[in-house]
Amino acid sequence: DAGVIQSPRHEVTEMGQEVTLRCKPISGHNSLFWYRQTMMRGLELLIYFNNNVPIDDSGMPEDRFSAKMPNASFSTLKIQPSEPRDSAVYFCASSYGTGETEAFFGQGTRLTVV
Amino acid sequence: SQQGEEDPQALSIQEGENATMNCSYKTSINNLQWYRQNSGRGLVHLILIRSNEREKHSGRLRVTLDTSKKSSSLLITASRAADTASYFCATVNSGGSNYKLTFGKGTLLTVNP
Repeated sequence: DAGVIQSPRHEVTEMGQEVTLRCKPISGHNSLFWYRQTMMRGLELLIYFNNNVPIDDSGMPEDRFSAKMPNASFSTLKIQPSEPRDSAVYFCASSYGTGETEAFFGQGTRLTVV
Repeated sequence: SQQGEEDPQALSIQEGENATMNCSYKTSINNLQWYRQNSGRGLVHLILIRSNEREKHSGRLRVTLDTSKKSSSLLITASRAADTASYFCATVNSGGSNYKLTFGKGTLLTVNP
């Protein structure tokens, strides 16, 4: 397996634009996590899916952020409209089960909003 | 919100020395995991210790867990320059059906050759 695949690797966008980040989890994994990493706040859990269903979205910063998982092999994180403070590295991770096993991370998407 | 807090925030040692990093957490856990992150890369899982375990080994890594103190430590023995990275602890809370994985802010380890 190629591991967790995220796209794009880098995204530079202007404030106010819509940004869509994509994630393909490892085949067979049924849990998917979206994280945001900044120097100031560290690694924050944004949302967690299990069997394609959002279980906990309490980390989503505000209504500008939304995430979907239409099937077991694809998830998106959308920011609309984007703001400079959204600049961060966004990671997707997947695992098998419900927390009893290790999570595998993608390489991340570095988002810069100017 | 962060569940785990690593200590120290940064650690600099010489190659061959041992490195110890600590993690404290707040609520009851199902398990605790340690991850490593090289600069600009994704996190890589190192070791998982369950709440009913007290110690675990993997190669040069040794992890301990003290649930009464809500703390864990990661020991890297005979460190190498290639061990330079950030190390994070992550917890999975116990109880209920919410098994989200939450991370601390990490310890930046520098191993000088």
